[in-house]
Amino acid sequence: DTEVTQTPKHLVMGMTNKKSLKCEQHMGHRAMYWYKQKAKKPPELMFVYSYEKLSINESVPSRFSPECPNSSLLNLHLHALQPEDSALYLCASSQDGGRVGGEQYFGPGTRLTVT
Amino acid sequence: AQKITQTQPGMFVQEKEAVTLDCTYDTSDQSYGLFWYKQPSSGEMIFLIYQGSYDEQNATEGRYSLNFQKARKSANLVISASQLGDSAMYFCAMRESGNAGNMLTFGGGTRLMVKP
Repeated sequence: DTEVTQTPKHLVMGMTNKKSLKCEQHMGHRAMYWYKQKAKKPPELMFVYSYEKLSINESVPSRFSPECPNSSLLNLHLHALQPEDSALYLCASSQDGGRVGGEQYFGPGTRLTVT
Repeated sequence: AQKITQTQPGMFVQEKEAVTLDCTYDTSDQSYGLFWYKQPSSGEMIFLIYQGSYDEQNATEGRYSLNFQKARKSANLVISASQLGDSAMYFCAMRESGNAGNMLTFGGGTRLMVKP
C-alpha cells in the first residue's frame, strides 16, 4: 500500500478563518512533508518532519503552522491567510532521512482558495 | 543556477509512439538520486521511476525507462507506446546526499499531450 490520504480535497476559506489540512500514511514512513504548488509551477517545499520532529521550515510565514501528532499523521493549521496563499497543498512521505533513493509518495492534495 | 532543467514546456506525441522528456541536472555531489513524477490534472504526484548516481544500468519500470548519461548530467525519461492516459505534467527531481531532510529539487516540468 503506497497510499497517502489528504483531507479535505477542496477548501474555501476567508482571510479571518482558521482551518486545518490533514494528511495520513500507513506505510511506516518516518519522514513527512508539506509542499505548496501554484498553477503551472513545480511543488515548493514548506516543511519536513523526520521522526515526528520538525527538521526543515523553508521560511514559511507563521500563518502556516505544521503539526505531527504521531508518525502516521501530519496536519497543517491555517490562520489569517492571504489570497496569494491559494494553491494546491501536497503532503508526501518517505521511509527515512538517510538515503538519496528514498522516493516520496504524494497524496492527492488539497486545493485551497482564500477569499 | 538551476539545479534541474526541463527545457520542453510542452510536447505532443501520437498515441502508441515513444516520447523522450528531457532533464538535465547540476550537482557537485557524488551520491544523488534522480526521480520522475507524473502529475495528471487531478493534482496527485505519481512516482514513476528512480535512478541512483551509482547505478550502472538505466532504470526501467514497465513502459518507463530512464536514459541516464552521467557525464552529460542528463536523466531523460522515455515513455514507450504512449497512451491517452499519459497526458499529464511530468517533473524531474533530484535529491543530493549533502542535502538535509530529503529535500527534492524539482524541475519546471513538461506538459505532455498524447494525440489519438
